[in-house]
Amino acid sequence: NAGVTQTPKFRILKIGQSMTLQCAQDMNHNYMYWYRQDPGMGLKLIYYSVGAGITDKGEVPNGYNVSRSTTEDFPLRLELAAPSQTSVYFCASSPRDSTNEKLFFGSGTQLSVL
Amino acid sequence: SQKIEQNSEALNIQEGKTATLTCNYTNYSPAYLQWYRQDPGRGPVFLLLIRENEKEKRKERLKVTFDTTLKQSLFHITASQPADSATYLCALEDQAGTALIFGKGTTLSVSS
Repeated sequence: NAGVTQTPKFRILKIGQSMTLQCAQDMNHNYMYWYRQDPGMGLKLIYYSVGAGITDKGEVPNGYNVSRSTTEDFPLRLELAAPSQTSVYFCASSPRDSTNEKLFFGSGTQLSVL
Repeated sequence: SQKIEQNSEALNIQEGKTATLTCNYTNYSPAYLQWYRQDPGRGPVFLLLIRENEKEKRKERLKVTFDTTLKQSLFHITASQPADSATYLCALEDQAGTALIFGKGTTLSVSS
């Protein structure tokens, strides 16, 4: 049982480049999330999805896009990378039923934009 | 908007003592509050969830309290060990009921 899998683990981008951070879960969870974590700043919600075909913005969505074509996958797209997007990105999933609201996190992607 | 604060950025204690971490929130009355542990270079891991109608919850050496009047949760680790050294995050559900909002975390260091 892999849980939540994120790839890549590390990436360096040049300003203006684009990339997709991959996230997949094998627990059949409806809810999926993307957070970014900056040093000393806690986790900030970028986008979330309540099921396949449904996505919505979180607290800090600017500069990012997401899609959710299947229950398993929730990729995060950076179109024009900027230094402000240097951060650690975490994907998470949750069943969010009445008895289980906890989040399961991936191991993160450390992104540097130079 | 909701605001969640963890009072201490860092807490240093000696092995065997009880660590107490504080989480305060404003502008909202969440149905539950969660605590997570995060080790360096890793994603957060769920520890405990406490609901608004529960005053206290325990799991092995961990204890969480939830005071909805004070809008505060306390997280206790009894008989602390160096292996408990990590960052602890509190989180509560946003008003839309769709995502968790996280505090900045408290980094606990337990020395032997």
